[in-house]
Amino acid sequence: QSALTQPPSASGSPGQSVTISCSGTSSDVGAYNYVSWYQQHPGKAPKLMIYEVTKRPSGVPDRFSGSKSGNTASLTVSGLQAEDEADYYCTSHAGSIGMFGGGTKLTVL
Amino acid sequence: QVQLVQSGSELKKPGASVKVSCKASGYTFIGYSINWVRQAPGQGLEYMGWINTNTGNPTYAQGFTGRFVFSLDTSVSTAYLQISSLKADDTAVYYCARDQSYMTYDCWGQGTLVTVSS
Repeated sequence: QSALTQPPSASGSPGQSVTISCSGTSSDVGAYNYVSWYQQHPGKAPKLMIYEVTKRPSGVPDRFSGSKSGNTASLTVSGLQAEDEADYYCTSHAGSIGMFGGGTKLTVL
Repeated sequence: QVQLVQSGSELKKPGASVKVSCKASGYTFIGYSINWVRQAPGQGLEYMGWINTNTGNPTYAQGFTGRFVFSLDTSVSTAYLQISSLKADDTAVYYCARDQSYMTYDCWGQGTLVTVSS
């Protein structure tokens, strides 16, 4: 199976919005509404931020939102804050096995 | 609360084996698969595979067959990752994660650093 494709980096100033893409295929992202996004700060375990494309777990700020169009999913962070600076990874259901995107380092300028 | 607690860091020599544990608490262990994820130093997350806690059946991702074994002890709500014939490039943090449904990992262990060095 191939990894999902994410841009290696993204950035924005405090208060701005940033969108991170996750490109897959018709066999994974395009086939299922089971795309998730994870935030990872240095030295910490990943944290679930978005699941099933658009859903937010309890406790995740509504500044984080997800969407999907065709074979590409996106994570948007609105009203950027300093603590949003982290690595972000997408995953997608792809049959019986999972896969991660390569990760995007989000920098808050 | 739902929690996964992993065993501590390991330092191993090339060719040795290591067994990492992942103890679940705060929920019914059987019913949620346990997934394993590797993160080499400075690198991204790499999906290793998962184990069905109902049947004990493991599924391995490409690149993680042969030397990697997932197992369970349901009596103590614990999953295990064993790696044999360790190589230097096995040096990484290994995470376990609970699958809420369809590859949604809602709870993660704190990670176990395995260092392979002579």
